[in-house]
Amino acid sequence: GEDVEQSLFLSVREGDSSVINCTYTDSSSTYLYWYKQEPGAGLQLLTYIFSNMDMKQDQRLTVLLNKKDKHLSLRIADTQTGDSAIYFCAERVGGFKTIFGAGTRLFVKA
Amino acid sequence: GAVVSQHPSWVICKSGTSVKIECRSLDFQATTMFWYRQFPKQSLMLMATSNEGSKATYEQGVEKDKFLINHASLTLSTLTVTSAHPEDSSFYICSASRRQAESTDTQYFGPGTRLTVL
Repeated sequence: GEDVEQSLFLSVREGDSSVINCTYTDSSSTYLYWYKQEPGAGLQLLTYIFSNMDMKQDQRLTVLLNKKDKHLSLRIADTQTGDSAIYFCAERVGGFKTIFGAGTRLFVKA
Repeated sequence: GAVVSQHPSWVICKSGTSVKIECRSLDFQATTMFWYRQFPKQSLMLMATSNEGSKATYEQGVEKDKFLINHASLTLSTLTVTSAHPEDSSFYICSASRRQAESTDTQYFGPGTRLTVL
């Protein structure tokens, strides 16, 4: 079946790195995404990685993909209080269908 | 670029009435639009996918007669919740997709509409 799982909560200190993990089940996924959702708002695409890549870096964001273990992670370097939000992992499983995880709530302590 | 808007941002209605939510792609043509529903502290649940000019494809368990979707143009899709009941109260989010040169087919999300049915 199609399922995306992620831990529900992460707390870090300002300036530290945050690592949010995600596992997925569908081996046919083409793209994997990380979205950010702030309170009362829609989702903002942060970054994505194609399934034949194993790493992508974009400024403070680093995405690592272990396709064998179906594990995706998002590392945020130098985490700031403005990074506090819910982060959703998602996979494109075919056509336009995208499966979302339940979201990881990141709390950044000043 | 790639801005998606929704209107209204929040709506309160009486049980039994119908509510229409609009989703617009402001600066691009959306070949496909999606409607999601999000419950508190939960993920997004895809309700339906619509392509301009054709009927929407609904996900299993979503009542097409209750959630009417119209995608009349490449920049506008509407979701009408008919005969709304309190259990329809939720956060409804739309997204739109366009073809890009690198073809990620990325979805761009609207800010969401909070529906409360009394």
